[in-house]
Amino acid sequence: GAGVSQTPSNKVTEKGKYVELRCDPISGHTALYWYRQSLGQGPEFLIYFQGTGAADDSGLPNDRFFAVRPEGSVSTLKIQRTERGDSAVYLCASSPDLNTEAFFGQGTRLTVV
Amino acid sequence: GQNIDQPTEMTATEGAIVQINCTYQTSGFNGLFWYQQHAGEAPTFLSYNVLDGLEEKGRFSSFLSRSKGYSYLLLKELQMKDSASYLCGAHSSYKLIFGSGTRLLVRP
Repeated sequence: GAGVSQTPSNKVTEKGKYVELRCDPISGHTALYWYRQSLGQGPEFLIYFQGTGAADDSGLPNDRFFAVRPEGSVSTLKIQRTERGDSAVYLCASSPDLNTEAFFGQGTRLTVV
Repeated sequence: GQNIDQPTEMTATEGAIVQINCTYQTSGFNGLFWYQQHAGEAPTFLSYNVLDGLEEKGRFSSFLSRSKGYSYLLLKELQMKDSASYLCGAHSSYKLIFGSGTRLLVRP
């Protein structure tokens, strides 16, 4: 596709359930970022990949959060035992390399009830 | 640690000029991004400053002083559609860290 694609666009889940959020970056982009954004706040850094490896996962809030990018393209953010505080918009962005602009997807709005 | 500060809200008049300031403290600084984000939408790229000085792109300009840890975004000839949040982002050790954003309201 032409841009970064995130699915689903909306996800409602019950507290305690497991969720997966998917990001399809722009073809050929080696860097991929995950962010979490709450209402009225800036995007909060979670993790970034350079190729297949997680170059920096220092923003993941705890061990319930995990992300993979097995083939250096599509990435999945996984959240175990969801809590109401996990409710937010999860944004994915990709860039061609490390020193260029990042392009954002439309995000996945996660609501934990 | 890493810290990025920008004003929470600003109001300006259509046709006027507004300057949004950003100060940052990060390790491994590579450059400074500005993004625009309309409510309910994804952030879109405005500018990227690596070297000190002013970069101009149409109605938008961005300035960086690395020694002072300071940047600003200048918007000229404001239009109603410029009402949005403006995100200051520091490229720090190749990860992109954002401030809380400045909500700009343009009034007629």
